[in-house]
Amino acid sequence: GENVGLHLPTLSVQEGDNSIINCAYSNSASDYFIWYKQESGKGPQFIIDIRSNMDKRQGQRVTVLLNKTVKHLSLQIAATQPGDSAVYFCAESGLNYGGSQGNLIFGKGTKLSVKP
Amino acid sequence: EAGVTQSPTHLIKTRGQQATLRCSPISGHTSVYWYQQALGLGLQFLLWYDEGEERNRGNFPPRFSGRQFPNYSSELNVNALELEDSALYLCASSPRTGLRETQYFGPGTRLLVL
Repeated sequence: GENVGLHLPTLSVQEGDNSIINCAYSNSASDYFIWYKQESGKGPQFIIDIRSNMDKRQGQRVTVLLNKTVKHLSLQIAATQPGDSAVYFCAESGLNYGGSQGNLIFGKGTKLSVKP
Repeated sequence: EAGVTQSPTHLIKTRGQQATLRCSPISGHTSVYWYQQALGLGLQFLLWYDEGEERNRGNFPPRFSGRQFPNYSSELNVNALELEDSALYLCASSPRTGLRETQYFGPGTRLLVL
């Protein structure tokens, strides 16, 4: 079935380096994508979103890139800090997406570990 | 502005019992979503409520049910609890109908079934 997945389950980076977390999606009907950060014992925290009419969107220290041709989504974190250590989820949504209208479909997550 | 709140934070039940989890959305949000996050797994969609009505449900048995109240708060009920129901239950809210709107999550209720 169609789903959102992640290329790398774990990512370890040095403090100050840039991090790139990747996500593949297979549903071409998806037109809205969100990145969430989940720290241990907490609920997912919204980071940034992007709609399918855009290729790139920037926030504070974060950039999301969307490549609809290859159905790929990435989250770039600049100057990664220890506080960025968490599990990162990508999620997709689309109108009339296989009966799951309205809800988000989440990938399994990538654990980012930042070494001081 | 207060975020999504959930209660209780932790809940311990035994197999066969019923659990009730509560959620209050962000003020002004009309849509409430419930997700299950089993240990080490991603989030699985359970239920979506908007304007007091169930709009969609995920691939879960009927013993997972809920409702949304006139003030847009919501309850998730799990009947005949099974051991595999142990998980973090997350509630999220969004404005309007929830179609491609950002969902904001609460801290979750951790349910342990013994």
